Amino acid sequence: DTVLTQSPGTLSLSPGQRATLSCRASQSVDSSHLAWYQQKPGQAPRLYIYGAYSRATGIPDRFSGGGSGTEFTLTINRLEPEDVAVYYCQQYGTPTPTFGQGTKLEIK
Amino acid sequence: EVQLVQSGAEVKKPGESLKISCKTSGYTFTSYWIGWVRQMPGKGLEWMGIIHPSDSDTRYSPSFQGQVTISADKSINTAYLQWSSLKASDIGMYYCARMLTWPEPFDIWGQGTLVTVSS
Repeated sequence: DTVLTQSPGTLSLSPGQRATLSCRASQSVDSSHLAWYQQKPGQAPRLYIYGAYSRATGIPDRFSGGGSGTEFTLTINRLEPEDVAVYYCQQYGTPTPTFGQGTKLEIK
Repeated sequence: EVQLVQSGAEVKKPGESLKISCKTSGYTFTSYWIGWVRQMPGKGLEWMGIIHPSDSDTRYSPSFQGQVTISADKSINTAYLQWSSLKASDIGMYYCARMLTWPEPFDIWGQGTLVTVSS
């Protein structure tokens, strides 16, 4: 299985700043098969980015995905208090999709 | 509106059986895969497996193959996750989620079902 390692484990930033979350894969991932989810405390995950770059329905353009091969990033511009959550990357290639362990985003 | 509504929290003893459900509405049930994802307390997400309700084609993660059974009843637009003999290590939140094609990400998620296993 492809192991996804996310960094940092926790990111603490101020409102208005930019957050850059990293997702590193143990082997090359097809960019069309890389997603990011947001999970707020006590809630189910929500799809934010798919195909490495495409925003899901209703996701603001402050969120952008990038990368290729084994290195992917989620960038959040102009941080807002509502962005507090854990963010997970996922590779959904065959045979078995896997998730990263998550990055917790805190807003100071 | 697309909705996946899961059954309520369960408290079971080791060795007991359990079947939790995911009732869907707002879309054509047989046109999408339904998957299950485990989240153990304070931990990350684990992809368990998926089923296509049109023909019950089912795929499991090797980590969950033989440990759980995924099924679907297209007459009532509902998917299921079941255990024949629960272990203490099965404790966690279980989410169902929808996927258009395989392989794709999960675009809509249920609210989760908390399973507690304790003697």
